Amino acid sequence: AQSVTQPDIHITVSEGASLELRCNYSYGATPYLFWYVQSPGQGLQLLLKYFSGDTLVQGIKGFEAEFKRSQSSFNLRKPSVHWSDAAEYFCAGADDMRFGAGTRLTVKP
Amino acid sequence: DAGITQSPRHKVTETGTPVTLRCHQTENHRYMYWYRQDPGHGLRLIHYSYGVKDTDKGEVSDGYSVSRSKTEDFLLTLESATSSQTSVYFCAISPDYNTEAFFGQGTRLTVV
Repeated sequence: AQSVTQPDIHITVSEGASLELRCNYSYGATPYLFWYVQSPGQGLQLLLKYFSGDTLVQGIKGFEAEFKRSQSSFNLRKPSVHWSDAAEYFCAGADDMRFGAGTRLTVKP
Repeated sequence: DAGITQSPRHKVTETGTPVTLRCHQTENHRYMYWYRQDPGHGLRLIHYSYGVKDTDKGEVSDGYSVSRSKTEDFLLTLESATSSQTSVYFCAISPDYNTEAFFGQGTRLTVV
């Protein structure tokens, strides 16, 4: 079955440190992939999307993600985390709009 | 922000009662979705619609029904609410298949 998996339930990083959140997918063809962010008590906001073409995609709030077919991954990265980045992050695959279980990010001062 | 309104935002209901949640959009998007969000499960698709009167089941559709009689409204009905349906419900819309979705603010439903 098509799916996306986020292996990390919770990640803690220090403010100013780099961040990488993992997402693995299992789709046969080239998937359409998304990263969303959810702040407490809020709905989900799209960070970035990958449809085709350049495998490194830029998003809002300084985030980027790299599509790696050989590793079936679409990991989200940010070079320097800010305290306001603390939230829950979801990877999703189109075709059936299926979401991963999410990764909660805590930022230490 | 995409024009999506969910109502009510909070609801407490008793086991066995019917409950209807409403999602209203002003974007004229073709696709509309209902998800539930539970700790450890992320968002799980309940039902979705790809046009007026055109709906299909998602991965957790048991106990839920939907209707879409107008482009702008997508209703989710719990015919007889159970405690396992206590959750946060999100509506989402997208202009087409395989495009990004835009989410509402959510409805917190508690079944006691």
